[in-house]
Amino acid sequence: AQKITQTQPGMFVQEKEAVTLDCTYDTSDPSYGLFWYKQPSSGEMIFLIYQGSYDQQNATEGRYSLNFQKARKSANLVISASQLGDSAMYFCAMRGVSGGGADGLTFGKGTHLIIQP
Amino acid sequence: DTGVSQDPRHKITKRGQNVTFRCDPISEHNRLYWYRQTLGQGPEFLTYFQNEAQLEKSRLLSDRFSAERPKGSFSTLEIQRTEQGDSAMYLCASSFPGKYEQYFGPGTRLTVT
Repeated sequence: AQKITQTQPGMFVQEKEAVTLDCTYDTSDPSYGLFWYKQPSSGEMIFLIYQGSYDQQNATEGRYSLNFQKARKSANLVISASQLGDSAMYFCAMRGVSGGGADGLTFGKGTHLIIQP
Repeated sequence: DTGVSQDPRHKITKRGQNVTFRCDPISEHNRLYWYRQTLGQGPEFLTYFQNEAQLEKSRLLSDRFSAERPKGSFSTLEIQRTEQGDSAMYLCASSFPGKYEQYFGPGTRLTVT
């Protein structure tokens, strides 16, 4: 079975600082993908970044980068130069070939990030 | 290009009643997913369609739940004989052929009284 663990229930960060949100995963699938989503208080899940397990380079999307360490089974999200609008819940998720389903995502419990001015 | 839309946004129903939710995916997205999210938790996968075919169903999807996507476009999720434990946010997502990223709708918040 697949499992995502996010060990930080909440984080407070000063505006303009970099933020690292932790995510570890467990899977027996040889091929899998890792995602990060942002959920503001409005409730909508916003796709941020994707990393395939066979991708050679860490994924980046603007201020977001994914620090993928396959041997450690970690996929941390790094947000550079944080902004007040980054305050939200952040979810790490995984897709795999088997376990929870080939295409259905398995989500962690999330990290509530609060950016302080 | 409009995003994923869901209707209704909120639904309050009495225990034992049936409810139906609708999801319209992004056009040209052939895959459509349903998730359920309870307070303080991440979304949980329920089921997914590729075009009109329902390819996966989670163990969470009890016999009271049924989903359809008759023409490979919009989808409906029906819950029969609702229970208080069904109270949750029901999220729909879609993805483009060959892409793994799933794009979510705003959700339908169900409250069973």
